[in-house]
Amino acid sequence: AQKITQTQPGMFVQEKEAVTLDCTYDTSDPSYGLFWYKQPSSGEMIFLIYQGSYDQQNATEGRYSLNFQKARKSANLVISASQLGDSAMYFCAMREAGYGGATNKLIFGTGTLLAVQP
Amino acid sequence: DVKVTQSSRYLVKRTGEKVFLECVQDMDHENMFWYRQDPGLGLRLIYFSYDVKMKEKGDIPEGYSVSREKKERFSLILESASTNQTSMYLCASSHGATNSNQPQHFGDGTRLSIL
Repeated sequence: AQKITQTQPGMFVQEKEAVTLDCTYDTSDPSYGLFWYKQPSSGEMIFLIYQGSYDQQNATEGRYSLNFQKARKSANLVISASQLGDSAMYFCAMREAGYGGATNKLIFGTGTLLAVQP
Repeated sequence: DVKVTQSSRYLVKRTGEKVFLECVQDMDHENMFWYRQDPGLGLRLIYFSYDVKMKEKGDIPEGYSVSREKKERFSLILESASTNQTSMYLCASSHGATNSNQPQHFGDGTRLSIL
């Protein structure tokens, strides 16, 4: 069965430092996609970054980058130069494989709460 | 920008009531989703719809039903609300193409309390 695991319930990071949020996944489908979302205390889910299983390069979006290690089935989110506004819950998600191909459904991890300290 | 609008940010209802949560998206997305979010459990899919009048059960459909009469609107219905349905409810929408890099876009969520 497909599964997403985020082993860090919570983390602290100093402002301006880089931080890595862990995500491992389990799937037997060769075609899949991985997403990271940010959820501030206000509740909305904000899409951050996407990595496809066949992408040759690690995805980057501004201060966000994805450390994609396919053989290890990990897709860690790296936030460079942390800011106070980065304090939020972060979710890793995988596009679910279905019979005959991928679906549009996502499987979510349990999230990591990041607190950026001044 | 994609806009997904949920009708209420906060809602308080009584046990046994029939509760309607409404979601509207303005980007002509084919797919719409309802999730509930509970601490330590992440987001769990209740129902989703890939077309008007079409629906499929997610991982936790018991006690819920949905309605999609128009493409832009997806309603979640709690037939007879119970206290264990107190939760944060999130609606999302996305394009219909599979194997795509298109993310799901979320509304702001509804914090529902059943007393």
